[in-house]
Amino acid sequence: KAGVTQTPRYLIKTRGQQVTLSCSPISGHRSVSWYQQTPGQGLQFLFEYFSETQRNKGNFPGRFSGRQFSNSRSEMNVSTLELGDSALYLCASSLQPGQDNEKLFFGSGTQLSVL
Amino acid sequence: DQQVKQNSPSLSVQEGRISILNCDYTNSMFDYFLWYKKYPAEGPTFLISISSIKDKNEDGRFTVFLNKSAKHLSLHIVPSQPGDSAVYFCAATTGANSKLTFGKGITLSVRP
Repeated sequence: KAGVTQTPRYLIKTRGQQVTLSCSPISGHRSVSWYQQTPGQGLQFLFEYFSETQRNKGNFPGRFSGRQFSNSRSEMNVSTLELGDSALYLCASSLQPGQDNEKLFFGSGTQLSVL
Repeated sequence: DQQVKQNSPSLSVQEGRISILNCDYTNSMFDYFLWYKKYPAEGPTFLISISSIKDKNEDGRFTVFLNKSAKHLSLHIVPSQPGDSAVYFCAATTGANSKLTFGKGITLSVRP
């Protein structure tokens, strides 16, 4: 059974650009969450999607957005990139939201560098 | 406002000895706590969890202790092995909520 797949693995962008990151959850998983990891802040919750609907949102500016498709795959978008957006973006999937948090499976992440 | 705090950024222990990783939280609504382990270039993987109705949960070499009155939890690894060297994240959540609030992590190094 394939794990959570995130693409691309690495990304370099310049300030002001926008970026789209992709996440394919484990087959059968319908809930997808996104987290941002930075050295100074640890992992911070961005948002969660289930059945193509955003269930929960973290404390990030509107430049950060996401969506989920009918096959449960998810994308997140960051517009007008800032230097501080440089981070590892992690996607996690689970069968359903709100149950058995230990059943949250993380991908390896997309390392975004903003120059 | 950091609701989950891991105040020590790193810990180094000798192989075979006990590793104790600490975590404090400020939100009294948190009722479920988890520890995740992360190797470089990989995503975090679940290690062990504890509900607020318990004060201890054990799984093999790993034990998590919860002190609700002090809003403190700790992860004990006995005996520590070199393969345990990784970053350990403490996380907390409320009810049936998928949103996890993580600490900043602690880097554990187990010396052979």
